[in-house]
Amino acid sequence: GAVVSQHPSWVICKSGTSVKIECRSLDFQATTMFWYRQFPKQSLMLMATSNEGSKATYEQGVEKDKFLINHASLTLSTLTVTSAHPEDSSFYICSARDAVRSSYEQYFGPGTRLTVT
Amino acid sequence: AQSVTQLDSQVPVFEEAPVELRCNYSSSVSVYLFWYVQYPNQGLQLLLKYLSGSTLVKGINGFEAEFNKSQTSFHLRKPSVHISDTAEYFCAVLYNTDKLIFGTGTRLQVFP
Repeated sequence: GAVVSQHPSWVICKSGTSVKIECRSLDFQATTMFWYRQFPKQSLMLMATSNEGSKATYEQGVEKDKFLINHASLTLSTLTVTSAHPEDSSFYICSARDAVRSSYEQYFGPGTRLTVT
Repeated sequence: AQSVTQLDSQVPVFEEAPVELRCNYSSSVSVYLFWYVQYPNQGLQLLLKYLSGSTLVKGINGFEAEFNKSQTSFHLRKPSVHISDTAEYFCAVLYNTDKLIFGTGTRLQVFP
């Protein structure tokens, strides 16, 4: 149980275009979802936290107009990178938390590798 | 500021040898502690967690960790490593917020 999927697992896009990444909780309801960014050989940095039906809370330094997060249902959150540029190339990982199952534990998706050319 | 320090960026070890990956955190309040493993191009898999109770926590794949409040440490250990343990290991701390703070990671490289 507690499986989180991400789609796509790998995407290449041209500079200036937008790309959407989906994060789904497959067997539980995710009251809260988190989006992280990981640069090569570095740690995970939290980008934003979203609760179902509410606006996302962005971490300091993260451009909310560039990284659009939508958490429209209890099983789906999306991250849209708008007008992507090469510096946005990174590994994006989502996680989900089920408040009923655990107040503390986050279940992580497999990640999405974004390459902007 | 809340922070998590993993003192070793890389730990090389021979197969069947014991290993310890170190993790220290900054806080004087209650925390919840986690160790995750990440294989190349994959997400994070939970190895073990400490929420309360016994300070020695056992996880999957033969790993264990000990919570030491006085030293604010949560070191990960395995008595005998296998080639398949080669991966990146992250220590993470959940403070009195929703935010999970990650350490910088330790690359465990197991040699035959």
